[in-house]
Amino acid sequence: DGGITQSPKYLFRKEGQNVTLSCEQNLNHDAMYWYRQDPGQGLRLIYYSQIVNDFQKGDIAEGYSVSREKKESFPLTVTSAQKNPTAFYLCATQRDTDTQYFGPGTRLTVL
Amino acid sequence: AQSVTQLDSHVSVSEGTPVLLRCNYSSSYSPSLFWYVQHPNKGLQLLLKYTSAATLVKGINGFEAEFKKSETSFHLTKPSAHMSDAAEYFCVVSWNFNKFYFGSGTKLNVKP
Repeated sequence: DGGITQSPKYLFRKEGQNVTLSCEQNLNHDAMYWYRQDPGQGLRLIYYSQIVNDFQKGDIAEGYSVSREKKESFPLTVTSAQKNPTAFYLCATQRDTDTQYFGPGTRLTVL
Repeated sequence: AQSVTQLDSHVSVSEGTPVLLRCNYSSSYSPSLFWYVQHPNKGLQLLLKYTSAATLVKGINGFEAEFKKSETSFHLTKPSAHMSDAAEYFCVVSWNFNKFYFGSGTKLNVKP
């Protein structure tokens, strides 16, 4: 996990609330990614950013939003439009055309 | 369409016996290939990667994988399983480093 922090580790949300998941890195990597993990489905890409102030939708972006104002930070907001947000969320970074490195994850539960 | 298939969702072995986790991908065009391990409620940790160098790749914790282009496979092996190897393993493929394709995972159970 080294160099990538995600907070909080566990997050509980009430129906209709927006919540923001934090991802911070000190690896000086340009690219950052958000994935959602559900049991038995592997990882699915939500959003990614290859440079500051730019980001693209992944395969399941609906109900999510992101920002990339600083190289070190790539927060993910889960909006009330996301109908089934309970999942494990993983942030990853990538340096140039190379390996992806993952943070420790945030488990979001909707009450 | 590009895809990654992990052939077994669950594998169970006894401690001290060999481990084989299978992975096939959809295209013969040379990809970059990775194996990651995930312990419960943790992030993914890189075990090893293949990026067009030697076809037999050695990773951490005694794991290795062999790239077989003709079979479009990248199976993960370990000669002797340890209790601490119990985890979920993901095969990941990238054809241009712009997108990474994840297999659905294989849960490895190690019996004492």
